[in-house]
Amino acid sequence: DPKIIQKPKYLVAVTGSEKILICEQYLGHNAMYWYRQSAKKPLEFMFSYSYQKLMDNQTASSRFQPQSSKKNHLDLQITALKPDDSATYFCASSLPGTSAETLYFGSGTRLTVL
Amino acid sequence: AQSVTQPDARVTVSEGASLQLRCKYSSSVTPYLFWYVQYPRQGLQLLLKYYSGDPVVQGVNGFEAEFSKSNSSFHLRKASVHWSDSAVYFCAVSSGANTGKLTFGHGTILRVHP
Repeated sequence: DPKIIQKPKYLVAVTGSEKILICEQYLGHNAMYWYRQSAKKPLEFMFSYSYQKLMDNQTASSRFQPQSSKKNHLDLQITALKPDDSATYFCASSLPGTSAETLYFGSGTRLTVL
Repeated sequence: AQSVTQPDARVTVSEGASLQLRCKYSSSVTPYLFWYVQYPRQGLQLLLKYYSGDPVVQGVNGFEAEFSKSNSSFHLRKASVHWSDSAVYFCAVSSGANTGKLTFGHGTILRVHP
């Protein structure tokens, strides 16, 4: 059974709309992350949360807003969608502290913005 | 700043052959190095990681990697590949600051002929 669940697997949106990508992890981890993989670009770090608090934000745009309602949830809200936002978005988690770099990934949400 | 280069976008080998996937990194500090694998329609899974000590590290499924500080490399090897090893392999580096922020290469698509 997958331990990190991302929903939906595929998402098509129109330019200017808003979408929420869901991530739940059942590994008991307290650190969660979002990464993005765009066409022809490597996987890029977006956000990190630890104990439901934002630790690092590497996105240049405020259109990307992570939301943590529970300690095992880290959703990603994207507003005013643009075609350049088309990518596969991966959620990941880890134990905090010295094991923080050992990331466990979900299977991703592939977003296409038309 | 850190960076990772995987010079081979695609590698094709026959089943039973040996394998080497190349990875070069750039880091201003002693890096933490990782290899991840992504099977079709799945998330990334950790194969192995290197922090310090013996430069040859063993991973899952018979994979190993060798760290070379002089060459700034962390190449992945396997003595005998199986068709099920067909996947995308990612090399990644972090500063080891326990942030969960990894810098990934573009990945190498491995195809194993049965």
